[in-house]
Amino acid sequence: AQSVTQLGSHVSVSEGALVLLRCNYSSSVPPYLFWYVQYPNQGLQLLLKYTSAATLVKGINGFEAEFKKSETSFHLTKPSAHMSDAAEYFCAVSVLGGYQKVTFGIGTKLQVIP
Amino acid sequence: GAGVSQTPSNKVTEKGKYVELRCDPISGHTALYWYRQSLGQGPEFLIYFQGTGAADDSGLPNDRFFAVRPEGSVSTLKIQRTERGDSAVYLCASSPPGAGTDTQYFGPGTRLTVL
Repeated sequence: AQSVTQLGSHVSVSEGALVLLRCNYSSSVPPYLFWYVQYPNQGLQLLLKYTSAATLVKGINGFEAEFKKSETSFHLTKPSAHMSDAAEYFCAVSVLGGYQKVTFGIGTKLQVIP
Repeated sequence: GAGVSQTPSNKVTEKGKYVELRCDPISGHTALYWYRQSLGQGPEFLIYFQGTGAADDSGLPNDRFFAVRPEGSVSTLKIQRTERGDSAVYLCASSPPGAGTDTQYFGPGTRLTVL
């Protein structure tokens, strides 16, 4: 079985500060890992994904994440928070099996303080 | 181009009633997924269609839930004898053919409230 754990259901950062959202995964086989963002009243949007290529993955809006197998982590970072980054962020995992059966974490709400 | 659309955006019903939720995937996408997102939780997988057939319905919580995709495009999630615990946002996603690990494109969801 596969799962993800997101540490911190709510994170607050000041505008311009580093954003760090934590995600640890559990999978019995090499996983595919994703970060999605959900703005209020909108659908989930893919930020970035790891699919066994480069361990440092760059996504949209200046976000990036690093796959660390030894730590079973896939933390999301952004050097400088912007007000528009305020949203809910979901870490997710799937395994290759012909299709994506994605398992999501519970989400982290990011608040950006001006 | 047009994204995944879901109708209605909001549905309020009474306990015991029957509801249908509709999903229009992106044109040409053969894979379609339904998820349920309860308050304070991440989306939970319900069912996956490849074409017209349900390839994996292991996430459907019980036999009150059923989904169809008769022509391999639009899908309808059907819930019989609704219960208050069914209240959630129901999300639909689609992905293109030959994309086992490719991106799922999500719709905005249908918020179901069972009174």
